[in-house]
Amino acid sequence: GAVVSQHPSWVICKSGTSVKIECRSLDFQATTMFWYRQFPKQSLMLMATSNEGSKATYEQGVEKDKFLINHASLTLSTLTVTSAHPEDSSFYICSATPGYDYGYTFGSGTRLTVV
Amino acid sequence: RKEVEQDPGPFNVPEGATVAFNCTYSNSASQSFFWYRQDCRKEPKLLMSVYSSGNEDGRFTAQLNRASQYISLLIRDSKLSDSATYLCVVTGNKLVFGAGTILRVKS
Repeated sequence: GAVVSQHPSWVICKSGTSVKIECRSLDFQATTMFWYRQFPKQSLMLMATSNEGSKATYEQGVEKDKFLINHASLTLSTLTVTSAHPEDSSFYICSATPGYDYGYTFGSGTRLTVV
Repeated sequence: RKEVEQDPGPFNVPEGATVAFNCTYSNSASQSFFWYRQDCRKEPKLLMSVYSSGNEDGRFTAQLNRASQYISLLIRDSKLSDSATYLCVVTGNKLVFGAGTILRVKS
């Protein structure tokens, strides 16, 4: 159990376009989902906490108008990278948990390349 | 000071060796602790939770020392397939990752 599905796995887009990434909890409900970004040879950095039915909480230094998060249901959160630029190229991963004791399950990640 | 600190390594060990990773965390209110494994260009996968009483899963043993705010992971009889980055993860109101420790097991 505790499967998190993330889509797409990779995307290449032109500079200035927007990209939407979906994160779904397949066999549990998640009132909270987390979005991370990982640059090469660096650790995962929390970008924002997505809350079902309310506004996301963004970490310091993360632009909320650039990284739009929508958590419209208990099983789906989306991250939209608006007006993407090459410096946004990174590995984006979502995470959720059915409960503390289960640990956190990660989606398979989305590798975004902006050209 | 970083919230979660790990020795980045890399740790280069021969097959069959025993290797230990350490991790310290700064927030004394942290509630849960985990070790994750991340293979190159893949998402992290839960290796094991860490409890004050210590827990063991096959060749892997994890330990938590709340007084010293210290977590450890011991891998016995290392296999080639153990080569990966090991991430120490601490939770309070959010999940905080260490930068990871690289392990390379060689034949």
